[in-house]
Amino acid sequence: GNSVTQMEGPVTLSEEAFLTINCTYTATGYPSLFWYVQYPGEGLQLLLKATKADDKGSNKGFEATYRKETTSFHLEKGSVQVSDSAVYFCALITRPGNQGGKLIFGQGTELSVKP
Amino acid sequence: DTAVSQTPKYLVTQMGNDKSIKCEQNLGHDTMYWYKQDSKKFLKIMFSYNNKELIINETVPNRFSPKSPDKAHLNLHINSLELGDSAVYFCASSPRTKNTGELFFGEGSRLTVL
Repeated sequence: GNSVTQMEGPVTLSEEAFLTINCTYTATGYPSLFWYVQYPGEGLQLLLKATKADDKGSNKGFEATYRKETTSFHLEKGSVQVSDSAVYFCALITRPGNQGGKLIFGQGTELSVKP
Repeated sequence: DTAVSQTPKYLVTQMGNDKSIKCEQNLGHDTMYWYKQDSKKFLKIMFSYNNKELIINETVPNRFSPKSPDKAHLNLHINSLELGDSAVYFCASSPRTKNTGELFFGEGSRLTVL
């Protein structure tokens, strides 16, 4: 079946450190891939997306590249800030463009950035 | 103005009770969803509605019944609450009839069943 696997958290970094959160997926067909972020006490927000192989999504200094050969969509940021502390969810949608397509989430990775 | 709003934000109740969570979106979206987030932050889709029509119904117990009076509202009613229903329930909406995966989430409703 379709699934998303993320690296275990929590991840604790110092401010200005480099961030990588690994995400791999299993899917049939050609899924679209996403990173969502959940700040404390809030709902999820779309951070970035990629819809086809080799696409790079980017937003707020975060980047992720859709790698079909390794079925991965790792999230990176060159220099994290305390305000980036949140839970990050990798996700895919099966059958994008179809009403029945479902957004499937990974288990989430909690990031804590210390000053 | 809050785009996707849920009420109540917190709900504490006893096993066996019936409760409802309401959701409204003012974004003009056609599709709305309910997701359940468990204590380990794992998110799972429960239902989706497109313009008041049920599109996705995951293997959710019959005790859960969504109701969409119009395309801006999707309410969730839960009968005979059980301990395992304790979770955060998120409502979301999507801007397009055909799902592209870009969802707008509410802030969540934390349900605690004692």
